Amino acid sequence: ETGVTQTPRHLVMGMTNKKSLKCEQHLGHNAMYWYKQSAKKPLELMFVYSLEERVENNSVPSRFSPECPNSSHLFLHLHTLQPEDSALYLCASSQDRRGGITEAFFGQGTRLTVV
Amino acid sequence: AQKVTQAQTEISVVEKEDVTLDCVYETRDTTYYLFWYKQPPSGELVFLIRRNSFDEQNEISGRYSWNFQKSTSSFNFTITASQVVDSAVYFCALSPNSGYSTLTFGKGTMLLVSP
Repeated sequence: ETGVTQTPRHLVMGMTNKKSLKCEQHLGHNAMYWYKQSAKKPLELMFVYSLEERVENNSVPSRFSPECPNSSHLFLHLHTLQPEDSALYLCASSQDRRGGITEAFFGQGTRLTVV
Repeated sequence: AQKVTQAQTEISVVEKEDVTLDCVYETRDTTYYLFWYKQPPSGELVFLIRRNSFDEQNEISGRYSWNFQKSTSSFNFTITASQVVDSAVYFCALSPNSGYSTLTFGKGTMLLVSP
């Protein structure tokens, strides 16, 4: 079982659909993240949850709605997306604390195509 | 604002050649962390190294070595005797010491190692 598992691996959705991406971490970490990887653009941090509380939202449009019900699970709810939202969405987790940070472990990503 | 620059978009080498991937960063933070990740075709980001800004010692791990130079804001990565399995996209990333990992990534360098 991998440390960070994302489902589904591939998703095709219409612009009017509602779908959710799921991430589960089995590493006992206390922080989880969503990143977006578009073609020809650097990986972009979308959301950060630390101890199940959202601590960062990097100006992400409201059509992306994260949810962190517990420290092991993270969701990204998608609604009324645009074709330019097509990308690889990567989830990550880390064990972070005051006084220092550790490396983030990533899942394999969900390849999202909006048609 | 933080910024990471990986000027090399793509590098092609023949197996057993040594190759250096460049990374230059910008930050106003006095304490920060630097990372290198590898992204094979399967998509997940694989952690390679984490470096604290206070620790300027170079590090070697097998065929991999890293050269951190705070004076030039660089954190270069060298693969010695490259192998076909090293073919991947390599990302350099920077995070402030905020208590959780908020990574700013470079655009990545695609390394192609041919037999």
